[in-house]
Amino acid sequence: AQSVTQLDSHVSVSEGTPVLLRCNYSSSYSPSLFWYVQHPNKGLQLLLKYTSAATLVKGINGFEAEFKKSETSFHLTKPSAHMSDAAEYFCVVSEKSGGYNKLIFGAGTRLAVHP
Amino acid sequence: DTGVSQDPRHKITKRGQNVTFRCDPISEHNRLYWYRQTLGQGPEFLTYFQNEAQLEKSRLLSDRFSAERPKGSFSTLEIQRTEQGDSAMYLCASSSQTVREQYFGPGTRLTVT
Repeated sequence: AQSVTQLDSHVSVSEGTPVLLRCNYSSSYSPSLFWYVQHPNKGLQLLLKYTSAATLVKGINGFEAEFKKSETSFHLTKPSAHMSDAAEYFCVVSEKSGGYNKLIFGAGTRLAVHP
Repeated sequence: DTGVSQDPRHKITKRGQNVTFRCDPISEHNRLYWYRQTLGQGPEFLTYFQNEAQLEKSRLLSDRFSAERPKGSFSTLEIQRTEQGDSAMYLCASSSQTVREQYFGPGTRLTVT
């Protein structure tokens, strides 16, 4: 079975400093991986996805993630945090099941951005 | 069509009552999913529809839960005889046949008192 571990439940950064949210996955085959963001009282929004093309994936709002098979990692980064980045972030692996893709979510990392 | 919509956004009910939630997917999406998210956790898969057919149900979906998608468009999720443990955010998502990413609605937050 596939699984996702987000290594930090909370991350706090200052505005303008880099962001690193860590994610490790477990998969028996080449996975599809996603990062979703959830702002308070809003739906989950897709930030970026990896589907076996380029290992460095660029997403919206300046976020990037790098797929490292040898480390089974898919960490999310951003060079410079903005106050508006404060939210809950979920690393997600997609598991093929009966012809569709079931999403397996990590427990989430809450990002706080301080002025 | 601006995205997946869910109604109501919030529901407070007393233990033992029945509740029903509605999800309207993106109009051209034939796949629809329900998830449950409890406080401090990521969403967990509940069930999946392709058109009107319910093709998979999680073991999380007890016999008090039922979901339908009668015409392959909107879907309803009913919880009978609610329990305090049912308090959670219920999320709906949809996707198309060809695109893997799922688009989520804002969710329905259920509080059982």
